[in-house]
Amino acid sequence: AQSVSQHNHHVILSEAASLELGCNYSYGGTVNLFWYVQYPGQHLQLLLKYFSGDPLVKGIKGFEAEFIKSKFSFNLRKPSVQWSDTAEYFCAVNAYNTDKLIFGTGTRLQVFP
Amino acid sequence: KAGVTQTPRYLIKTRGQQVTLSCSPISGHRSVSWYQQTPGQGLQFLFEYFSETQRNKGNFPGRFSGRQFSNSRSEMNVSTLELGDSALYLCASRTQETQYFGPGTRLLVL
Repeated sequence: AQSVSQHNHHVILSEAASLELGCNYSYGGTVNLFWYVQYPGQHLQLLLKYFSGDPLVKGIKGFEAEFIKSKFSFNLRKPSVQWSDTAEYFCAVNAYNTDKLIFGTGTRLQVFP
Repeated sequence: KAGVTQTPRYLIKTRGQQVTLSCSPISGHRSVSWYQQTPGQGLQFLFEYFSETQRNKGNFPGRFSGRQFSNSRSEMNVSTLELGDSALYLCASRTQETQYFGPGTRLLVL
């Protein structure tokens, strides 16, 4: 069965620090990969997605993620976080041509000024 | 374009009652999926509809059901509510392999 692991449950950073959130998935076939963000009191928003092509994908608000097929990983990065990045971040995967998204447990990011 | 809308936004029910939640997808989107979000279990897939047909179902009991109408609007129903059904229920509509989520309906079962 497909699964997604997010190793960092709670990350605390100061503004301007660099961020990397880990995400690993288990599925042998072709997958689509996503990072979603849930700001306090708001709904899930798409940060970025990977379907194929360049394994380094750029999303909104300066976020990027790198797909490493050999490691089944899709880590999220941002060179310099801001207080407004405080939110919960979810990695998700769905097998090609299905709609069922499998989510990781989420990483709560707190950024202090 | 307007985003995914869900009604109601908040709901309080008691055990044993039933509830119906509604979702209107983004205009032109024909696929609607439902997810349950709880602090303990995270985000879990409930079911997915496309052109009024259920295409996928998650591991939830038969008390959870849904349907989709010809205008792509979808409803989900939970019968015989249990305390553990308290959760945020999210609807997502899909286009080009990407799902866009609504604000959710927060259900509290007392």
